[in-house]
Amino acid sequence: DIQMTQSPSSLSASVGDRVTITCRASQSIGNYLNWYQQKPGKAPKVLIYAASSLQSGVPSRFSGSGSGTDFSLTISSLHLEDFATYFCQHSYSPPWTFGQGTKVEI
Amino acid sequence: QVQLQESGPGLVKPSQDLSLTCTVSGDSISSGGYYWTWIRQHPVKGLEWIGYVYHNANTQYNPSLKSRVTISIDTSKNQFSLNLYSVTGADTAVYFCARGSEWLHYFDYWGQGTLVTVSS
Repeated sequence: DIQMTQSPSSLSASVGDRVTITCRASQSIGNYLNWYQQKPGKAPKVLIYAASSLQSGVPSRFSGSGSGTDFSLTISSLHLEDFATYFCQHSYSPPWTFGQGTKVEI
Repeated sequence: QVQLQESGPGLVKPSQDLSLTCTVSGDSISSGGYYWTWIRQHPVKGLEWIGYVYHNANTQYNPSLKSRVTISIDTSKNQFSLNLYSVTGADTAVYFCARGSEWLHYFDYWGQGTLVTVSS
């Protein structure tokens, strides 16, 4: 299985900060990388698919980049509603696997 | 608006079978371009993809669970189901159903999730 490793596991930030989360795959996965946001008690919500494509309805302050093994999710200016846990997921070949999550805290 | 809703027992005894159903509204489960999937979330292990089923009943499973899992589809009811056999405490998790993109394999609509506890 392809292992996905996120860093950091948690971070503290303030409203208005620029935040970057990284995700590393254990082998090259091209651009088959997706990002999700999850709030407590809720299902994950897709933000970015195919490494850099913004899902419909997701604010433009979210962006994704990377290819191969190294990827990042950037929030250009943190809003209060962005405090949540973020997961990456590869979609290169089954079984699809997720990173362990990055919790963004105030 | 596509909506998914999981249903099934919240408590299952060890060695018994876990059965969950996902009811889809706002989209036909028979439509192409998507598949229907189950994902679970352990408190410690995180998110784990279980498997998916296509509208034609073709399936793909996570090898780690393949010997114990069946996912089926009922197009007449717009539902799909998960059966996980011979459960243990390690199967305690929140179970989500979701819609997956057939080509890019990301999950765009999810159910709210249902907690299944394995305990005697």
